[in-house]
Amino acid sequence: DVKVTQSSRYLVKRTGEKVFLECVQDMDHENMFWYRQDPGLGLRLIYFSYDVKMKEKGDIPEGYSVSREKKERFSLILESASTNQTSMYLCASSETGDTNYGYTFGSGTRLTVV
Amino acid sequence: SQKIEQNSEALNIQEGKTATLTCNYTNYSPAYLQWYRQDPGRGPVFLLLIRENEKEKRKERLKVTFDTTLKQSLFHITASQPADSATYLCGRGQGGKLIFGQGTELSVKP
Repeated sequence: DVKVTQSSRYLVKRTGEKVFLECVQDMDHENMFWYRQDPGLGLRLIYFSYDVKMKEKGDIPEGYSVSREKKERFSLILESASTNQTSMYLCASSETGDTNYGYTFGSGTRLTVV
Repeated sequence: SQKIEQNSEALNIQEGKTATLTCNYTNYSPAYLQWYRQDPGRGPVFLLLIRENEKEKRKERLKVTFDTTLKQSLFHITASQPADSATYLCGRGQGGKLIFGQGTELSVKP
């Protein structure tokens, strides 16, 4: 069964901490994405990557950075966590092009910043 | 910017009826639209993709339409069941990325 695995389901961090959210996919997909999901706002794209070592800003990149050193791994970094970054974070991967298979999402990481 | 909007009000229907969810987009038509199902505390699961040049697509009890004149996609679940209760998300393909609406919560009562 193909998978996108996010390292933590729940995470509690303190304001100002540097936070790493890890995502690994086993489908050899080129594309990987990080979204955050908040009530009433839906899924919003933070960053995405089409290939190793490349990254593109999404709609809300401020306060975040990403790293993709290997094809299967895409990390989201909160440089200095703030309470307004408390959210559900979802990682996804997909094949290149508008295939009929859509995105495969991980189960999400619920991050609380206190 | 390109937007995509779904009815934020929850949809409550009786088992056996057809559920119809709406997705509206602004400006130019996207190359494709995708529909996902999301259960509480889980990531979205891909259901269907429909391209701009396709009017309709079906998969078992699911049907999706794409109307470029109305700038709208409709998602139908026929013979709905309580197990269909979930939030349904619409996403528009845009420059290789997917931009989502806020989702519509569907509740199917026995």
